[in-house]
Amino acid sequence: KNQVEQSPQSLIILEGKNCTLQCNYTVSPFSNLRWYKQDTGRGPVSLTIMTFSENTKSNGRYTATLDADTKQSSLHITASQLSDSASYICVVSRSSNQFYFGTGTSLTVIP
Amino acid sequence: GAVVSQHPSRVICKSGTSVKIECRSLDFQATTMFWYRQFPKQSLMLMATSNEGSKATYEQGVEKDKFLINHASLTLSTLTVTSAHPEDSSFYICSARPTTERGVPLSSYNEQFFGPGTRLTVL
Repeated sequence: KNQVEQSPQSLIILEGKNCTLQCNYTVSPFSNLRWYKQDTGRGPVSLTIMTFSENTKSNGRYTATLDADTKQSSLHITASQLSDSASYICVVSRSSNQFYFGTGTSLTVIP
Repeated sequence: GAVVSQHPSRVICKSGTSVKIECRSLDFQATTMFWYRQFPKQSLMLMATSNEGSKATYEQGVEKDKFLINHASLTLSTLTVTSAHPEDSSFYICSARPTTERGVPLSSYNEQFFGPGTRLTVL
């Protein structure tokens, strides 16, 4: 069964600290994996897109990693800011129109 | 670039009425658009795939007669919630995938861009 699981479900960190979000998947055959940030009451915005051959990709303070062998991905946020408070969603694509959403991680950054 | 808009952003209606939500790709063409529903503290759930010039493809468990989808042009898809009831209250999000007029994806990653969402409240 094609599934995408994220952990933790929610996370609270102090402003300025780093954190890492996890995404494990069983989707096969794998096409690509995306991390999205969704602010409350808004649509998701893409942070990174990774294909099978990519291990690490950065976008500012966001760094995503991918281990296609173990089917795991992580999103590392460096020097967190209050504006990082949002839901982070991992989406794994199997083919052009088949994609699977993770349950998301709710991140709260407190001053 | 790659902006998707939704209208309205928020709607409150009485039970039994129908509500139409528009999804527009502002600066690109999209033969394929997707409609999602999201309940509080949950992830997005794909409802249907909207195809320009043909019938929409609905996910299992989604009533096609309840949620009417019309992909009228290469930049517009509409979702109509017919005879809305309180349990239909949710956050509805659309996304669009940039393609050529013939449906060939413009991105090698088959990227989809999301609209800002529509909050539907049925009283």
